[in-house]
Amino acid sequence: DTEVTQTPKHLVMGMTNKKSLKCEQHMGHRAMYWYKQKAKKPPELMFVYSYEKLSINESVPSRFSPECPNSSLLNLHLHALQPEDSALYLCASSQDPGESTEAFFGQGTRLTVV
Amino acid sequence: AQSVTQPDIHITVSEGASLELRCNYSYGATPYLFWYVQSPGQGLQLLLKYFSGDTLVQGIKGFEAEFKRSQSSFNLRKPSVHWSDAAEYFCAVGARTGNNDMRFGAGTRLTVKP
Repeated sequence: DTEVTQTPKHLVMGMTNKKSLKCEQHMGHRAMYWYKQKAKKPPELMFVYSYEKLSINESVPSRFSPECPNSSLLNLHLHALQPEDSALYLCASSQDPGESTEAFFGQGTRLTVV
Repeated sequence: AQSVTQPDIHITVSEGASLELRCNYSYGATPYLFWYVQSPGQGLQLLLKYFSGDTLVQGIKGFEAEFKRSQSSFNLRKPSVHWSDAAEYFCAVGARTGNNDMRFGAGTRLTVKP
């Protein structure tokens, strides 16, 4: 199984809503990532979890709250988002937290904030 | 920190023609290098990677890339392009130690003419 599964595929939420994005992998990878990708732009790193601990936070606003309940799951909790937060949110995982080895990406969640 | 430059925003080639996409990186040592492909609204798929050893690496879908340390480059090539190769291509660089912050170039959009 070399898949990273993200749910939901599409999400529309109001600025006062609370929602969560979910990501799951069963490859035994110990590093998991959240990236944000705006249209016609490259993915931008948001968070990195290594061995279920937050290791990198790229100065992301607190309205985005990551959580790694176990080694297979990664969540991104969303609250009080702004329309400019609309983007494709990509989850990825890689085997070794100590090195930037290849990352496997999910298909993403297309988020629209209205 | 490592960084990547993809000089070409958009390239158009005819079906059957050869292709070369350019990538230059900045890193204090030999990095990990990757090429990913992304179709519209989809996640990223790894085409190939360079970690060490042979500087010419083969990937999926008939792609290859050559690592040139002297030029800090990792250009992607394909001898004969197919219409299905039309997509966005991202070069990425990762650190060998200490963290997992893989960084992406701005991307090159490939259009294939019939």
